[in-house]
Formats: sequence, structure tokens, C-alpha cells
Amino acid sequence: DAKTTQPTSMDCAEGRAANLPCNHSTISGNEYVYWYRQIHSQGPQYIIHGLKNNETNEMASLIITEDRKSSTLILPHATLRDTAVYYCIVREDSNYQLIWGAGTKLIIKP
Amino acid sequence: KAGVTQTPRYLIKTRGQQVTLSCSPISGHRSVSWYQQTPGQGLQFLFEYFSETQRNKGNFPGRFSGRQFSNSRSEMNVSTLELGDSALYLCASSLVGVQYGYTFGSGTRLTVV
Repeated sequence: DAKTTQPTSMDCAEGRAANLPCNHSTISGNEYVYWYRQIHSQGPQYIIHGLKNNETNEMASLIITEDRKSSTLILPHATLRDTAVYYCIVREDSNYQLIWGAGTKLIIKP
Repeated sequence: KAGVTQTPRYLIKTRGQQVTLSCSPISGHRSVSWYQQTPGQGLQFLFEYFSETQRNKGNFPGRFSGRQFSNSRSEMNVSTLELGDSALYLCASSLVGVQYGYTFGSGTRLTVV
């Protein structure tokens, strides 16, 4: 079973920041938090990952709480092309698989 | 650089047949994983290979098998196809280590009739 819980769906206005929450209350010390997204019928796309510190790349920012029990993915200026299902996954080094939940369906509205 | 390439993109097979799907990872990526995606079950892990060795296998029947070649290319095979095997099959490659994310291919859409 997935070790993360996410809201089923969210809406965001185009141009605004989209903040996607994820709970991973049972995360262990050596597990990373990964975010992927999947646009309809395409393969999942890697967005960002982190262990303890907040991370930022050209696509998004990842904010991890100090106790590491939850995180938030931030898309700073959402566009219509960001409409997708977003998956939050935790993974440790000795585990060579990704366990996927149902993800959050993010709809960006004009 | 080239991404993960999966062939074919679409496939239609008849129940009872077998099928082989191919995956070429990103150059330098030695870990290759396979996933099945269906509307009912979502994304499920099939197996992962590194240096021609299967390191982990998901909860799928023995009809599902795979292998990896010395150039890191991988194939998966499904024998005695069932209607329920209709799915999007995704391949992902990665550098070795949990600090690296997986890059996915566009998938092979298999329809069993």
C-alpha cells in the first residue's frame, strides 16, 4: 500500500501558485519524498524530490515539514499545461520500486 | 539526450497469445523498472533490473517475466494473455541510487481481445 495520502482533486486558477499537499506520517529517516505527474495517457514525469531540506528546480518547489510527516509541492505560476495527476511517493534506497497511490488530479482553470 | 524509448507504442493481441515489449533506457542508466497501469488498479510495479539481474519483483503471476541485456536494454514478456492484461505498460530508467529520480517512457498500450 502507498505510504502517502493526497487529496483526490484540486483546482487552481491559471497564473496562480498551485500548492499540492501530501501526508507521509510513517516516513522513515532514510526515505526520500518524490513527486511525479502524469498528463493523460503519457508516462509519468519526474518533478522533484527531497530528503529533509526544501528543494527548488525549474519546475517546482518542495517544502518538507521539519518532522518530515508532510510535504507540499508548489507550482509557482500554474499554466493550463500543468493540468495532470500529481503523485507523491516515498522511497528508500533498498527499495527498488515506487508504490503509487491515487494521486491528486490538479485542474488549472483559465 | 534521448529519453526512454518503448516499442511498440500500441499493440493488439488475442487471448492466449504472448507478447514481448521492449525498453531502451537513457544512455548510462543501468536500472530499468517496469510498471503496469490500469484504470482500476492504477500504477503497479512489475519488476526492476540492474546489471542483468532482477532485484525486485511485484505481485504478478509468473506469466509476466522480464530480462535485461548487457547494454541495459530490457524486455518484458507476458505469456497466455488474458483480457485483464490490457493496460499501459511503462518502463522507467534511472541512475543507481535513491537520490536519482526515474525517467519514464511513453509506454506501450496493450489491448487483449
